[in-house]
Amino acid sequence: DAGVTQTPRHEVAEKGQTIILKCEPVSGHNDLFWYRQTKIQGLELLSYFRSKSLMEDGGAFKDRFKAEMLNSSFSTLKIQPTEPKDSAVYLCASSLEDTQYFGPGTRLLVL
Amino acid sequence: GEQVEQRPPHLSVREGDSAVITCTYTDPNSYYFFWYKQEPGASLQLLMKVFSSTEINEGQGFTVLLNKKDKRLSLNLTAAHPGDSAAYFCAVSDTNAYKVIFGKGTHLHVLP
Repeated sequence: DAGVTQTPRHEVAEKGQTIILKCEPVSGHNDLFWYRQTKIQGLELLSYFRSKSLMEDGGAFKDRFKAEMLNSSFSTLKIQPTEPKDSAVYLCASSLEDTQYFGPGTRLLVL
Repeated sequence: GEQVEQRPPHLSVREGDSAVITCTYTDPNSYYFFWYKQEPGASLQLLMKVFSSTEINEGQGFTVLLNKKDKRLSLNLTAAHPGDSAAYFCAVSDTNAYKVIFGKGTHLHVLP
């Protein structure tokens, strides 16, 4: 079975650009999560989907971050407009019951 | 809400020594407990999942202890080797397993 896949693995953006990160969960998993990982804050939940429905949108991240899940096998995270403070690793995870399995992440640098 | 504190943030040990990482949590209703390993440039890899009913959990080269009375979860690498050098994260959730709270991580460096 393929694990969680994320593309691109690395992204460099200018301040103010729109970027879209992609995630494919493990086949058959019902839940999908987007996290931001930084050294200072650790892992922060951005969004959570259950069976394609948005269950949590990460409060403080609502204004410029938008996650979508148009089908059960694909999700996107759009950041618009990007700011230098968005530089981080963005992790996607999926789960079937109680355990989250993580993708390799997208390392974003905003100049 | 649940808070998870992980200590220490950095740990250096010699090859063959033990390494202990500890997390304390606040919610007495916490039910699922996890340890993840993250090697440099890689994603989080599940090491072990623990249920609240099991206090001692043996893995390959490590032991996970759960002390519900003290609300403490620990990862004990019994004889560390350089391949164990990585960041380790604990995670805790209640029976709503989607709401997982992660510790800030411990960077372990095993010196040859």
